[in-house]
Amino acid sequence: GESVGLHLPTLSVQEGDNSIINCAYSNSASDYFIWYKQESGKGPQFIIDIRSNMDKRQGQRVTVLLNKTVKHLSLQIAATQPGDSAVYFCAENGESNYQLIWGAGTKLIIKP
Amino acid sequence: ETGVTQSPTHLIKTRGQQVTLRCSSQSGHNTVSWYQQALGQGPQFIFQYYREEENGRGNFPPRFSGLQFPNYSSELNVNALELDDSALYLCASSPAGGQSETQYFGPGTRLLVL
Repeated sequence: GESVGLHLPTLSVQEGDNSIINCAYSNSASDYFIWYKQESGKGPQFIIDIRSNMDKRQGQRVTVLLNKTVKHLSLQIAATQPGDSAVYFCAENGESNYQLIWGAGTKLIIKP
Repeated sequence: ETGVTQSPTHLIKTRGQQVTLRCSSQSGHNTVSWYQQALGQGPQFIFQYYREEENGRGNFPPRFSGLQFPNYSSELNVNALELDDSALYLCASSPAGGQSETQYFGPGTRLLVL
């Protein structure tokens, strides 16, 4: 069935280094992808999104890359800070225009 | 600008009971989506409301129902609670119907069913 998966459940990064969080999706019909950050005890916070007519989009310290050929999405965080510690989710819209399909999440740990 | 708010923050119920969770959408948003998030997992879509009508539904049984009010606030009702209903329930609002719009989430309601 439809699924969005992440390659690594936990990612440990040195403070100041760049982080790359990867995501695989399986539904070719998806044309909208979103990255969310969820801190402990809080709701998901929107980070950045991308539509299928693009392969790269940049925000403040974050970049999302979309490779439709291999159905791969990545989130790059530049100069990782302690406040970036959270679980990161990728989500896609799939065939339905109503529901977002979410992966299980990657926990990002920042080492001092 | 007020963000998405949810109440209560925590709730404990027993199996078989009914529960009502509430959500106020972000100012200017007319669409509300509800998600269930089990511990250690990503959110699962329950349903979406747009202009007081259900706009789409995920794979949840009919005992999960909802309402949207004229001010775009929303309620999630769960009847005949089961132990597996224990989860974080998230509400998200967006400015228009459909999932291809950025959704902004509230802090969630943590439900524990004993």
